[in-house]
Amino acid sequence: TQLLEQSPQFLSIQEGENLTVYCNSSSVFSSLQWYRQEPGEGPVLLVTVVTGGEVKKLKRLTFQFGDARKDSSLHITAAQPGDTGLYLCAGWMDTGRRALTFGSGTRLQVQP
Amino acid sequence: DTGVSQDPRHKITKRGQNVTFRCDPISEHNRLYWYRQTLGQGPEFLTYFQNEAQLEKSRLLSDRFSAERPKGSFSTLEIQRTEQGDSAMYLCASTPQYEQYFGPGTRLTVT
Repeated sequence: TQLLEQSPQFLSIQEGENLTVYCNSSSVFSSLQWYRQEPGEGPVLLVTVVTGGEVKKLKRLTFQFGDARKDSSLHITAAQPGDTGLYLCAGWMDTGRRALTFGSGTRLQVQP
Repeated sequence: DTGVSQDPRHKITKRGQNVTFRCDPISEHNRLYWYRQTLGQGPEFLTYFQNEAQLEKSRLLSDRFSAERPKGSFSTLEIQRTEQGDSAMYLCASTPQYEQYFGPGTRLTVT
């Protein structure tokens, strides 16, 4: 059982469309991170959210951390082909475990 | 410093052989992590070092796996008697505190 469930698993959209990716858990996380990974490469950190209810914007990307610190979302406005990749959420659990727990990812393909 | 590096990038080996991977973290980061990633999944935690001390190991790390970080700098991950189920991407990450910086990974294929 995945501690972090991501949805959808796959998403194929046209350039210019908006999309939202979700990351949900029944566990509380002290912080949550979003990464993007391209084929054959390691994940690259996009953002860290720490406070329940926090919203962070990174150009066309908007990240939100749920009030209860159990879920998060990533919204992309006007998607571009360069946004194509595997989007992973990962969290540091409130239990103090010293390793990131990753979701299984959302594979996004943006068609030109 | 250009980031975390891993060597080799690709390794093909026959079942039963031993393999060793190397990770060079960002020099000022004292924490180093190893993860395994299979196709269609997110990375799964294997083990973690703070300086040269191995502080946590996942149950995924069977007795065929061993990791070292002898001088608190680079780390090695060895898999003995490889099995086909070991085929995966092995990722290394270093961190100053909470934000992890990943290397490009070593893709292992066991035939």
